[in-house]
Amino acid sequence: QSALTQPASVSGSPGQSIAISCTGTNSDIGIYNYVSWYQQHPGKAPKLMIYDVSNRPSGVSNRFSASKSGNTASLTISGLQSEDEADYYCSSKRGSNSLVFGGGTKLTVL
Amino acid sequence: QVQLVQSGSELKKPGASVKVSCKASGYTLRSHAMNWVRQAPGQGLEWMGWINTNTGNPSYAQGFTGRFVFSLDTSVNTAYLQISSLEAEDTAVYYCARAQYSGNAYDYWGQGTLVTVSS
Repeated sequence: QSALTQPASVSGSPGQSIAISCTGTNSDIGIYNYVSWYQQHPGKAPKLMIYDVSNRPSGVSNRFSASKSGNTASLTISGLQSEDEADYYCSSKRGSNSLVFGGGTKLTVL
Repeated sequence: QVQLVQSGSELKKPGASVKVSCKASGYTLRSHAMNWVRQAPGQGLEWMGWINTNTGNPSYAQGFTGRFVFSLDTSVNTAYLQISSLEAEDTAVYYCARAQYSGNAYDYWGQGTLVTVSS
């Protein structure tokens, strides 16, 4: 099954804002409000940052926000900090009993 | 607090089998579905499927049928992933991940188990 499409890399300077896109289809992002975003530092397990399109779990900074339009979801990180440097993955429900991840985006804080 | 603790790294020969455990603490295993995610070296996350922790019924993603088996032992609050007939391409870190109640986001993850398949 094909992955959701994310840019391979994005970068930004401390204090700036960046956005990471995640493009799917009418079989996943387009019809389900079940998009999640995960942050993964090297050698660590992924961490849930956003669920159900735009909801932040308790403890996640409000510098992280997300939205969806049509078949594309987006994660925005404002006030970039060095500790935000990581890989970011989106995911979406696909079909009645399946989930798909994006290919991942490497965020570099310059 | 909720924790998922996985078993340690494994080095296996092609054709062998491996069983990875994922012990849950801080909550009852039956209360949340358990998912498995694979990450090959230098690659992204790949959803393998999930197991209904109430019924024990597993569901496998495309590409993970046949050699992959999800199971539970609720008496010890532990989920398992077994892979048989290992191939070099199975070399990866395997994660267990607890689903939120909606089932579509994973709020707690194990630390990952590296399975290396090499002759």
